[in-house]
Amino acid sequence: GNSVTQMEGPVTLSEEAFLTINCTYTATGYPSLFWYVQYPGEGLQLLLKATKADDKGSNKGFEATYRKETTSFHLEKGSVQVSDSAVYFCALRDDSWGKLQFGAGTQVVVTP
Amino acid sequence: DTAVSQTPKYLVTQMGNDKSIKCEQNLGHDTMYWYKQDSKKFLKIMFSYNNKELIINETVPNRFSPKSPDKAHLNLHINSLELGDSAVYFCASSQDLRGQFFGPGTRLTVL
Repeated sequence: GNSVTQMEGPVTLSEEAFLTINCTYTATGYPSLFWYVQYPGEGLQLLLKATKADDKGSNKGFEATYRKETTSFHLEKGSVQVSDSAVYFCALRDDSWGKLQFGAGTQVVVTP
Repeated sequence: DTAVSQTPKYLVTQMGNDKSIKCEQNLGHDTMYWYKQDSKKFLKIMFSYNNKELIINETVPNRFSPKSPDKAHLNLHINSLELGDSAVYFCASSQDLRGQFFGPGTRLTVL
């Protein structure tokens, strides 16, 4: 079956540091890949997505590249802010009905 | 304007009770979903409806019954609540194969 594996958190870093959250997946076929962010007390927001190999999704300074050869979709940001503190979820979708398979989430804590 | 809304935001109830959570989306999407997020933040899909028709029904106890009166609404009714049902329940909607939009969540606490 399909699965998504994310690095465990919490990830604690200082403001302006470089952030990487690893995400690898197992799927049959060619899934679409997503990163969602959940701020404290809120629902999930779509951060970025990529629908085919070598696609790069980007938004709000975050980037992730769909790597088919390594089945990965790592999230990166060059300079984090305190406001980036949240839980980040990697997800894949591989069926026509849009069912999302989520990773376990990675909590990121950015300190001033 | 709220895209996906849920009511109530918080729900505290006793074991054995029956409760409902409502979801509405004003995005004109055809597909709606219910997800459950446990205390460790793990998210799992429960149900999905497309144009009022059930299309995804994961392994969920039959105490959970979704109802979609129209394509803008997807409600979740839970019978005989158990302690393990305590979680945050998220509604979401999507159109075609674009990203899903999530509601703010309903935190259910069963005592």
